[in-house]
Amino acid sequence: DTEVTQTPKHLVMGMTNKKSLKCEQHMGHRAMYWYKQKAKKPPELMFVYSYEKLSINESVPSRFSPECPNSSLLNLHLHALQPEDSALYLCASSPNWGGDTDTQYFGPGTRLTVL
Amino acid sequence: AQSVTQLDSHVSVSEGTPVLLRCNYSSSYSPSLFWYVQHPNKGLQLLLKYTSAATLVKGINGFEAEFKKSETSFHLTKPSAHMSDAAEYFCVVSANTGTASKLTFGTGTRLQVTL
Repeated sequence: DTEVTQTPKHLVMGMTNKKSLKCEQHMGHRAMYWYKQKAKKPPELMFVYSYEKLSINESVPSRFSPECPNSSLLNLHLHALQPEDSALYLCASSPNWGGDTDTQYFGPGTRLTVL
Repeated sequence: AQSVTQLDSHVSVSEGTPVLLRCNYSSSYSPSLFWYVQHPNKGLQLLLKYTSAATLVKGINGFEAEFKKSETSFHLTKPSAHMSDAAEYFCVVSANTGTASKLTFGTGTRLQVTL
């Protein structure tokens, strides 16, 4: 089973709202990732968690706040977003065996619209 | 630093004809290379990966890619296109950061399949 699940599939929020995106995997993977993808562009890495600790933050604005409560779950908390934050948010996980061959498996994404 | 270049932003083929999507890479050592496919409004699905075990890599749905070190290429091919192959394809190179893998994406190639 190589499934990564994400909820919700779609989210519409105002600029003053607080919402959260959820990502879950049950493959025993020890690295989890958040990406942002704008239309007709490749995904851009936002955050990486390795063994439940934040290991990479790609200079993401503080209105995005990641959380990894346990090894299977990854959240992205959203607050005071801007319309330009509207995008497809993708979660991925990988076994994190070390080395370049670690394969990332992606979820279906959450389509976020900020009004 | 590693990078990949997808030589065509858009490829159009007729159903039943061969598919060729071109990717060149740049790396100071033997890279790990991947092809991912993304159907409209979906997440990324792993097609295949090269990890130095064999230069000809077979993937899902009849796709394969050949690693050519002398040409620094990793082109994706399929003998006969199906309508369901219409999607965005990303060539990706992976690097280990010490804590997790980090992917560098090409700009993508949109494959159009016509009747």
